[in-house]
Amino acid sequence: QMVQSGPEVKKPGASVKVSCKASGYHFVNFGVAWVRQAPGQGLEWMGWISAYNGNRDYAQKFQGRVTMTADTSTGTANMELRSLRSDDTAIYYCARCDRLGLSWLDPWGQGTLVTVSS
Amino acid sequence: QSVLTQPPSASGSPGQSVTISCTGTSSDVGAYDYVSWYQQHPGKAPKLLIYEVYKRPSGVPDRFSGSKSGNTASLTVSGLQPDDEADYYCNSYAGRSNFVIFGGGTKLTVL
Repeated sequence: QMVQSGPEVKKPGASVKVSCKASGYHFVNFGVAWVRQAPGQGLEWMGWISAYNGNRDYAQKFQGRVTMTADTSTGTANMELRSLRSDDTAIYYCARCDRLGLSWLDPWGQGTLVTVSS
Repeated sequence: QSVLTQPPSASGSPGQSVTISCTGTSSDVGAYDYVSWYQQHPGKAPKLLIYEVYKRPSGVPDRFSGSKSGNTASLTVSGLQPDDEADYYCNSYAGRSNFVIFGGGTKLTVL
C-alpha cells in the first residue's frame, strides 16, 4: 500500500512537499507516479520516478517547478512543487507504477489535499 | 497538456452492458498498447481496472473488459451493478514528449 502525508495549506509562491510511504512490495523493483485532481475535475499526470535507478519524467506543464525523489532506504517517494498558485489547489496522489512508468498505476495512495490560499 | 476524449456521461440499467470510449491520436492510443482504465468512487482514490488495453489485475471482476481499435480504446462493463456507479478514467502512454495523458473522465450512472 501507499500511505501519504497529511493535508497542507500554503500561501501563493510557497512550496509544498508531499511524501508517500510504500509497503508490501520491493520498492526498488517499481516506480512511483504522481497524479493530481483539482476540485471537481479530472486526473492529471504530473510525472514519475524510477525507484530502481532514479530516472524521472515530468509532464511539460510542471517542468522547472516540480521535483520527485525516491529514498530506497526508507521506501518513501516525495514530490515537491514550488511557486504555488491558487490553481495548484488539488488532491495529490502517488501510485506505484511499472518499472518504465509507461503502464499501470496500482495501488494508489489515499491522496493529500493541498490548498493554496492567501 | 493533451487530454484523451471521453464522453462526459454514460448510463445503463442493472444487468445491462455499457461501453465507454476513449479517443486519442496516432501518437498515443493508436501508437502504443499502454492504455489503462481506472474507477473512482466519490471521495476515494482511483482503482486500476484494466491495463495494457485488455489485461485485468487480480481481483477485478471479468465483467470489466477492455479493447482498442485504431485511436480509440473502450471499456465495457457487463452485468451492471449499483456499485459500478462511479467516474471512469482512461490513460495512455504518449511517447517521450507527453509521456502519460489521461482522459477527461466519464460519469457512469446505474439507473
